[in-house]
Amino acid sequence: DGGITQSPKYLFRKEGQNVTLSCEQNLNHDAMYWYRQDPGQGLRLIYYSQIVNDFQKGDIAEGYSVSREKKESFPLTVTSAQKNPTAFYLCASSIKVEGTRPQHFGDGTRLSIL
Amino acid sequence: DQQVKQNSPSLSVQEGRISILNCDYTNSMFDYFLWYKKYPAEGPTFLISISSIKDKNEDGRFTVFLNKSAKHLSLHIVPSQPGDSAVYFCAPTLSGSARQLTFGSGTQLTVLP
Repeated sequence: DGGITQSPKYLFRKEGQNVTLSCEQNLNHDAMYWYRQDPGQGLRLIYYSQIVNDFQKGDIAEGYSVSREKKESFPLTVTSAQKNPTAFYLCASSIKVEGTRPQHFGDGTRLSIL
Repeated sequence: DQQVKQNSPSLSVQEGRISILNCDYTNSMFDYFLWYKKYPAEGPTFLISISSIKDKNEDGRFTVFLNKSAKHLSLHIVPSQPGDSAVYFCAPTLSGSARQLTFGSGTQLTVLP
């Protein structure tokens, strides 16, 4: 079955530490996205990538970094510069970055600060 | 600046009745609208969409209505079933743009048996 796999499901970070969230898709989609969800809020875009070796900042990119070395993988690093990292992180993909293309989501990673 | 508002954080409906979920937006440039459904501990899944050239789109028990002049859309579920209990997000977008969706804050629907 094709889909998006995010790991780990739960992640804990110490103050001053960088952590990397994994996102893998086997849907052969060109576009991939990272969102953050806080309680009572909608999803906010962190970064997106249209193709391999390309990525663009979303609305809340500060304190985050990404890479897209392979089509199927789009890891997100939450750096120590992100002062409020506790949130639910969702990765998504679509055939291409275009408004009418539905995005397919993973089941998310919940990040907490120790 | 919230471009998309789902003003009802929660809604409870009896099984078999109609559920109506509302969404308001401010950006008149939005011309394509998607609805996603999310169960706890899972990612959202695409449910139904509508283009601004239409005012209604139907898919089984789900119908989305668009009122462009009022910048308002609604999702109707008839008849509601307990399995429909989930958080529903509306996500307006620009069809021609290489850009992301703009998600509302979601409405938690609970369908009571």
